Amino acid sequence: AQSVTQLGSHVSVSEGALVLLRCNYSSSVPPYLFWYVQYPNQGLQLLLKYTTGATLVKGINGFEAEFKKSETSFHLTKPSAHMSDAAEYFCAVSEAGGAQKLVFGQGTRLTINP
Amino acid sequence: EPEVTQTPSHQVTQMGQEVILRCVPISNHLYFYWYRQILGQKVEFLVSFYNNEISEKSEIFDDQFSVERPDGSNFTLKIRSTKLEDSAMYFCASRAGGTTYEQYFGPGTRLTVT
Repeated sequence: AQSVTQLGSHVSVSEGALVLLRCNYSSSVPPYLFWYVQYPNQGLQLLLKYTTGATLVKGINGFEAEFKKSETSFHLTKPSAHMSDAAEYFCAVSEAGGAQKLVFGQGTRLTINP
Repeated sequence: EPEVTQTPSHQVTQMGQEVILRCVPISNHLYFYWYRQILGQKVEFLVSFYNNEISEKSEIFDDQFSVERPDGSNFTLKIRSTKLEDSAMYFCASRAGGTTYEQYFGPGTRLTVT
């Protein structure tokens, strides 16, 4: 069965600092990996995805993530945090074929300090 | 930009009552999903729907739950006899299919069972 672990339920960084949100996954087959962001009282918005090909993927709002198979990780980074990045971030995994249901991590709440 | 819509945004119901949550997926998408998020917990998969039938369901999706695509645009989740523990945010998602793997989420319906 697939699973996702997000290290750190809360991360706080200063505006302009590096953002690093950690995600490790478990999957018996090559995974599809996703990061979603949830702003207060809103739904889940896709930030970026990895399916095949280049392991460094770029998403919206300056975020990027790198798929590292040997480490079973898909950490999310942004070089310089902005106040508008404050939100909850979810890492998710699915498998090729079938229903491709998403299995989510617990989420990481990102706070940006001025 | 096309988006998934959900109605109502908030539903309050009494224990034992039936509720129907409605979703309009993105036009031309082929795969449809329901997820739920109990307050403070991770987003959990409930059910996936393709070609007018359930393709996968979780243990949560018991006989009290049903889904339907009554016409070419709506996708509904019915809870026959609500329990207090059904209180959660319910998200609908859709996916185009083919080589498109990402799911697009609606804003959610907050269900409160009293």
